[in-house]
Amino acid sequence: DSGVTQTPKHLITATGQRVTLRCSPRSGDLSVYWYQQSLDQGLQFLIHYYNGEERAKGNILERFSAQQFPDLHSELNLSSLELGDSALYFCASSARDRGSGELFFGEGSRLTVL
Amino acid sequence: AQKITQTQPGMFVQEKEAVTLDCTYDTSDPSYGLFWYKQPSSGEMIFLIYQGSYDQQNATEGRYSLNFQKARKSANLVISASQLGDSAMYFCAMREGKFFGNEKLTFGTGTRLTIIP
Repeated sequence: DSGVTQTPKHLITATGQRVTLRCSPRSGDLSVYWYQQSLDQGLQFLIHYYNGEERAKGNILERFSAQQFPDLHSELNLSSLELGDSALYFCASSARDRGSGELFFGEGSRLTVL
Repeated sequence: AQKITQTQPGMFVQEKEAVTLDCTYDTSDPSYGLFWYKQPSSGEMIFLIYQGSYDQQNATEGRYSLNFQKARKSANLVISASQLGDSAMYFCAMREGKFFGNEKLTFGTGTRLTIIP
């Protein structure tokens, strides 16, 4: 158990819909990272939040948005969903206290768009 | 250019044999970190091992070791005495720049390892 919690684990929805994925980082970790894993694109970095502030953006579509709340949990909002958005979405938090900075990943939210 | 290259899409290895998974990287930053993650069929990403660019010795964690050849920009993962439970996807990843506030990792495409009984 990495200590990072993601909900829901599975989600099936239709094109054009909107969904929200939720992440709670490990206790004490201020950073939250979102990644998308699809068959054709591999693991792609989407966005990084640190203590409520956006720190870096990767290949995140304009239809997607994220935020980190004062209690440090984060939400990834995906709107106007397309078939190609079907993927495994990971949240990760960083182990700043260990010095190496490895990311601890949640179990992922598997999104299927029909 | 790809920052992380894993050239082996799939590998089959006999149980109890050692296996080497290849990873090469590309960066001009003198400060970077290299990571290996395991992704079993259940989907979670499990951290295995870390090597810093300034580390003088190769990292080891139990049956895992990282063969770090800085001049060749390679960071191969070696698994000794492979077990059936080692069957999974393995990803090499890199963090560029100084650590604090920049833990974003760039991942390779992965190698699917299958251990044969």
